[in-house]
Amino acid sequence: AQTVTQSQPEMSVQEAETVTLSCTYDTSESDYYLFWYKQPPSRQMILVIRQEAYKQQNATENRFSVNFQKAAKSFSLKISDSQLGDAAMYFCAYRPQGAQKLVFGQGTRLTINP
Amino acid sequence: DSGVTQTPKHLITATGQRVTLRCSPRSGDLSVYWYQQSLDQGLQFLIQYYNGEERAKGNILERFSAQQFPDLHSELNLSSLELGDSALYFCASSANPGSSGNTIYFGEGSWLTVV
Repeated sequence: AQTVTQSQPEMSVQEAETVTLSCTYDTSESDYYLFWYKQPPSRQMILVIRQEAYKQQNATENRFSVNFQKAAKSFSLKISDSQLGDAAMYFCAYRPQGAQKLVFGQGTRLTINP
Repeated sequence: DSGVTQTPKHLITATGQRVTLRCSPRSGDLSVYWYQQSLDQGLQFLIQYYNGEERAKGNILERFSAQQFPDLHSELNLSSLELGDSALYFCASSANPGSSGNTIYFGEGSWLTVV
């Protein structure tokens, strides 16, 4: 079964610093998609960034970037210049090619210290 | 704003009762998903509909059912409610499910409390 593991239940970072959230996944598929979602206190699930497994280039969205290591089945999220508004629960998610559902990790709660 | 609309935002009901959660997908999206987020189970996929037809089923209880109507809105029906059904229920939508790369956009969720 495909699983997603986020080994850091909680992380904290000083405002303006950089933080990296870890995610590993287990799959026998070769083609799939990976996502990071953010869930702020409002509880809404907001897409942060996505990565196609067939692309070697790491995805970047403004201050957010990923380090995708396909062989290691690792997909970490780097947040640069952390802002107070980045405080949230972050979920890593996996979706294999041809499948419909997302498989989520357990989440990492990120706190930003002013 | 993701464009996915869910109602109600909050709901409190008693055990044994039945509730209906409603979802309107993003304009143009044919696929609707329901997810449950609880403290002990995390985010769990319940069911997916595409253009009115059930496409995939996850960990959905027999007491729960869903449907997607011709106008593409969807309803999740929860019956014989138990305390353990208290959770945040998300609806999400995406475009053509034939492409798994299509992003799934989530609504704000319906918070159900069973007392």
